[in-house]
Amino acid sequence: TQLLEQSPQFLSIQEGENLTVYCNSSSVFSSLQWYRQEPGEGPVLLVTVVTGGEVKKLKRLTFQFGDARKDSSLHITAAQPGDTGLYLCAGANTNAGKSTFGDGTTLTVKP
Amino acid sequence: NAGVTQTPKFRILKIGQSMTLQCTQDMNHNYMYWYRQDPGMGLKLIYYSVGAGITDKGEVPNGYNVSRSTTEDFPLRLELAAPSQTSVYFCASTRDTQGTGELFFGEGSRLTVL
Repeated sequence: TQLLEQSPQFLSIQEGENLTVYCNSSSVFSSLQWYRQEPGEGPVLLVTVVTGGEVKKLKRLTFQFGDARKDSSLHITAAQPGDTGLYLCAGANTNAGKSTFGDGTTLTVKP
Repeated sequence: NAGVTQTPKFRILKIGQSMTLQCTQDMNHNYMYWYRQDPGMGLKLIYYSVGAGITDKGEVPNGYNVSRSTTEDFPLRLELAAPSQTSVYFCASTRDTQGTGELFFGEGSRLTVL
């Protein structure tokens, strides 16, 4: 069974601060995705990374896939209250037909 | 666009009762999934299906059953409900033929077993 560990589990910061969330595994994945989930809703895809070392930017969010494709990070610059939510990473392998989710990082950004 | 639709949104069951959570998608996706999510935690895969007539177990299948008679529908059956099955259940689907594409989720079904 492939496992994904996310850290930290909880993060509470002030508006304007920067933060990084990590997603680590001992297994190699073909692709890794980051989702954000708001209370009472299903997760929504933020990004998919597929190449080792790949960096993708989505406005103030920067996603990186590790060179060995075993880990990933999400960096948020100048966090805003609207960034509050549960951030989930999910890894998958070609032809596996399913993804493995980490336990998530709950982010709270205070005004 | 309806996307992935789950019913019911909320349900309270007594121990030992049975029920079916319904899931339907209108995107013609081959891959469909059922996850459960405990408070503040990630998603655990219960069952999944790569197409009509094909289902397979995920990480936590005990106490659940599924069927996939059509591309659109993927119901989850709980037999003999137990308090440990209190959770929020999410159905999801994806178009990607290799199962690594974007997952589209329903809004969830919150189940309480008392």
